[in-house]
Formats: sequence, C-alpha cells, structure tokens
Amino acid sequence: AQTVTQSQPEMSVQEAETVTLSCTYDTSESDYYLFWYKQPPSRQMILVIRQEAYKQQNATENRFSVNFQKAAKSFSLKISDSQLGDAAMYFCAYRSSETSGSRLTFGEGTQLTVNP
Amino acid sequence: EAGVAQSPRYKIIEKRQSVAFWCNPISGHATLYWYQQILGQGPKLLIQFQNNGVVDDSQLPKDRFSAERLKGVDSTLKIQPAKLEDSAVYLCASSLEAGGEGELFFGEGSRLTVL
Repeated sequence: AQTVTQSQPEMSVQEAETVTLSCTYDTSESDYYLFWYKQPPSRQMILVIRQEAYKQQNATENRFSVNFQKAAKSFSLKISDSQLGDAAMYFCAYRSSETSGSRLTFGEGTQLTVNP
Repeated sequence: EAGVAQSPRYKIIEKRQSVAFWCNPISGHATLYWYQQILGQGPKLLIQFQNNGVVDDSQLPKDRFSAERLKGVDSTLKIQPAKLEDSAVYLCASSLEAGGEGELFFGEGSRLTVL
C-alpha cells in the first residue's frame, strides 16, 4: 500500500518570504499523481497543485511550485511571497494512475503559520 | 456553481447512539467520497462511490458504519452504534473522474463529537 509522509507537523514563515513544505511517499508504481491540498481553518479543502509522475517538469501555479524528485520519492511544495491567506493545513496526497477506483491517500499534514 | 453540500455541520451524541450525515455532490460529478479526518491527522477514505456503485470500501468499519448512494446523486453515511473513537470530521468530496489526476472538491465537513 502506498504511504505518504509529511515530517513537518508545523512550519512558520514571515509574510512575503518563501517556505518549503516537505513530503515523501512510498510506492512500487511507476506512474501516479501527486497533489498538495490546502485546508484553511473551518473551510473546505482545496487543491493547490498537482503533478503527474511521468512529467519531468515541475508543476507551478502562480506563487506555488513543487520540487518533484521521482527517484527519491520526494514532492515538496514551495510557497513564494507568502501571504496571510496562505495560513492553513497543507496535505500532500498520492493517487495511482488507474482510471477508476484508485484511492487518494493523504499525509498527516503540515500546519503553516504566516507571521505579519 | 454550487459546491459540495454537507449536513449537519456539527453533531454531539452519546456513545452507542446513532448518527447520519448527508452529502450532496456537485452536479454531474459521478464519483463521491466519504473521508474521516481525526483531529491532527490526514483524511482517511471510508468509501468511494462511482454513480450508485461502491468502488472502494476497504477501510469502512462495516460492523458500525454504512453508506448509500441510492440514485447516484446524494449520499448518506450512518454510524450505529457510535464509539468514542468515531469523534472526527466527516468529509464528503466529489469529482468528475474516478481516478487519475481528477481534482476532488470537498464539502465543509460534519464534525462529530461522541461523549
């Protein structure tokens, strides 16, 4: 079974600075998808960014980018120019590339605090 | 576009009582998920439906949890009888695709406290 590990329960960053959240995963599959989801306090979880394993280019979405190291099974999230609204719990997640029935497996989460 | 709707938002019950949660996914989304999120942990999939059929219920404690999606639209998750360890937020999500890179859209969750 696939597992996802987030080794940083809590992180903090100063507003306008850059922060990197770590994620590692374990799988025997060669093709899969990786995601970062954001869960603000008392609000819905939303997708931040996704990466397909066979694509070598790292995904970027505005201030959010990933560093995908397939051999090391590492998938970190970099937030540039951090804003107060970025404060949330961030979850790394893994999903098989199967077209149906594949489970989205989440890590334990990293609580990000943004200091003004 | 309306998001995923869940009710109730909060529920407090005594152990051994029963509780039911309701979820209405985004219109047109064939896949519906129920996740359990215990405080301080990541969400864990309880059950996944594709239309009105079950795709994955391997982590659903079937002796006390049940879920249905009779007409392939809204869904109900029931717990009977509840235990203290069932205290959690129950998240419903939906997606267009059943797997792959499809984005999951989550509701606000139903927070259950079992006393």
